[in-house]
Amino acid sequence: DQQVKQNSPSLSVQEGRISILNCDYTNSMFDYFLWYKKYPAEGPTFLISISSIKDKNEDGRFTVFLNKSAKHLSLHIVPSQPGDSAVYFCAARFSGTYKYIFGTGTRLKVLA
Amino acid sequence: GAVVSQHPSRVICKSGTSVKIECRSLDFQATTMFWYRQFPKKSLMLMATSNEGSKATYEQGVEKDKFLINHASLTLSTLTVTSAHPEDSSFYICSARVASGGGGDTQYFGPGTRLTVL
Repeated sequence: DQQVKQNSPSLSVQEGRISILNCDYTNSMFDYFLWYKKYPAEGPTFLISISSIKDKNEDGRFTVFLNKSAKHLSLHIVPSQPGDSAVYFCAARFSGTYKYIFGTGTRLKVLA
Repeated sequence: GAVVSQHPSRVICKSGTSVKIECRSLDFQATTMFWYRQFPKKSLMLMATSNEGSKATYEQGVEKDKFLINHASLTLSTLTVTSAHPEDSSFYICSARVASGGGGDTQYFGPGTRLTVL
């Protein structure tokens, strides 16, 4: 049972435009969320986080939005750059633990 | 800051041998580290939580006698794949937990180890 889902396996965006990556979860006991970027044969790189008590967090070109009622979060990248091309994973933490469950990933391709 | 290294980056071994993978936090201390496994085109699957000075906590379905974890210091955790078989071939990634403000935390990942068992 996949508790954290990224329903779009891939996404292509033109350079300079906005990239929106989506993540849905089913467990209301998740209290903290992370987004990672991953290149092949490398470990994930942390991008941005958000607590369940917030609905938005921004860091440079990256903004994460959380809609608790819909159990949905999204990562916005603007403007998108070719170097952003990678696989993006969302991860959700069980409240009271340090354990994160990762989504299945979305491959983003930013076209020059 | 928050750099995590893993060694080796790639290992090929014969079936039946044991392989040790090291995970180090280079510029910080980590009381909690994690070991993940990633299959091709799949998500990261948490195998176990490694706690400094105590026994690791394994996820359901992960054999603790097969995947031995030792977290001997605040900067080093090791994963030993014992009596490796071809089905153990995978990409193994470790992470170290760093607490952030407001009750949150972040995991910083190592670069991963590609294990191939012949």
